[in-house]
Amino acid sequence: DSGVTQTPKHLITATGQRVTLRCSPRSGDLSVYWYQQSLDQGLQFLIQYYNGEERAKGNILERFSAQQFPDLHSELNLSSLELGDSALYFCASSLTHWGSEAFFGQGTRLTVV
Amino acid sequence: AQKVTQAQTEISVVEKEDVTLDCVYETRDTTYYLFWYKQPPSGELVFLIRRNSFDEQNEISGRYSWNFQKSTSSFNFTITASQVVDSAVYFCALSLFSGGYNKLIFGAGTRLAVHP
Repeated sequence: DSGVTQTPKHLITATGQRVTLRCSPRSGDLSVYWYQQSLDQGLQFLIQYYNGEERAKGNILERFSAQQFPDLHSELNLSSLELGDSALYFCASSLTHWGSEAFFGQGTRLTVV
Repeated sequence: AQKVTQAQTEISVVEKEDVTLDCVYETRDTTYYLFWYKQPPSGELVFLIRRNSFDEQNEISGRYSWNFQKSTSSFNFTITASQVVDSAVYFCALSLFSGGYNKLIFGAGTRLAVHP
């Protein structure tokens, strides 16, 4: 158990809908990251927050947004969903904003139908 | 450009064989970290090792060992006496200091199948 909790584990929704994925980082970790894993794109970095502030953006679509709350948990919001958004979404956390190892949650498998 | 290449897509071995997973990275940065992660069939990503660019010392942890060579930009992973439980997808990743953030650039992964 990595100590990173993601909910829900599975999500099935229709095209055009909006969903929210939730992540609780390991106790003491200030940095939260979101990654998308799909068969064609592999593991892609989406976004990083550190102590409540957005720190870095990767290949995140404009339809996607995220935030980190004062209690350090994070949410990833996906809207206007398309079939191609079906993927495994991982949250990870680390102690610092760089250099320390990132521990991953079990992921949320999103299926858009 | 920053990139991680894991040329071996799939490897199949019989239990107790030794197996080496290759990882080649590209970066012009002098300060970076390298990681290996394991993704078993259950799907989670499990951290295995971190190495910074200034530490070329090889590391051994039980049946696992890692060989970091800056001269060839490689960070290879060897499993000695493989076991069925080692069956998983293994990812090598690069983390750069540029911009002061911890963006992990992952390779495509190597799927290891260990057969009894």
